[in-house]
Amino acid sequence: DIQMTQSPSTLSASVGDRVTITCRASQSISSWLAWYQQKPGKAPKLLIYKASSLESGVPSRFSGSGSGTEFTLTISSLQPDDFATYYCQQYNTEESTFGPGTKVDIK
Amino acid sequence: EVQLVESGGGLVQPGRSLRLSCAASGFTFDDYAMHWVRQAPGKGLEWVSGISWNSGSIGYADSVKGRFTISRDNAKNSLYLQMNSLRAEDTALYYCAKDKIIAVAGSDAFDIWGQGTMVTVSS
Repeated sequence: DIQMTQSPSTLSASVGDRVTITCRASQSISSWLAWYQQKPGKAPKLLIYKASSLESGVPSRFSGSGSGTEFTLTISSLQPDDFATYYCQQYNTEESTFGPGTKVDIK
Repeated sequence: EVQLVESGGGLVQPGRSLRLSCAASGFTFDDYAMHWVRQAPGKGLEWVSGISWNSGSIGYADSVKGRFTISRDNAKNSLYLQMNSLRAEDTALYYCAKDKIIAVAGSDAFDIWGQGTMVTVSS
């Protein structure tokens, strides 16, 4: 099975900050990686697919990059609505796996 | 409106069974693979199982293999998860989710999620 790790596990930031979250896969997954945002009591929301493609309706301050085993999610200017937990997901194999999550909270 | 609505959760004793359902609307259900993803209280997301658009390809996480069975009824726009031999560690909110791309070979990102149904396994 492909294992996913994320760093940091928690990130404290202020409105307007540039935020970067890293996701690593235990083996190459090409660009088959997605990023999700989840707020408390809500279902996850797709932000980025195929490593760098922005899902329709998602603000352009979100961007993704990477390929192979290392990927990043960047929020260019953190907004109040962005405080949430972020998960990466590999779908290179039929048995998809998620990273453990990164919680972005208010500094 | 594209929508997924899960049902069937509840409190169940260890070793017993439960069947979850997911009703889909607002899209052509039989064009897409579907999945179950769970989230234990205060924990992260865990992919549980997935089924291709025509039920020809099915996969399970190792943690549920041999105990859970995924199925779908395209005529009823519905997805199911039969859960047998339930354990305390199966306690979680169970989401159904839709593949983003039509009839993709393999897996894909999940673009639509339901609100989840809670399963609690306890004596």
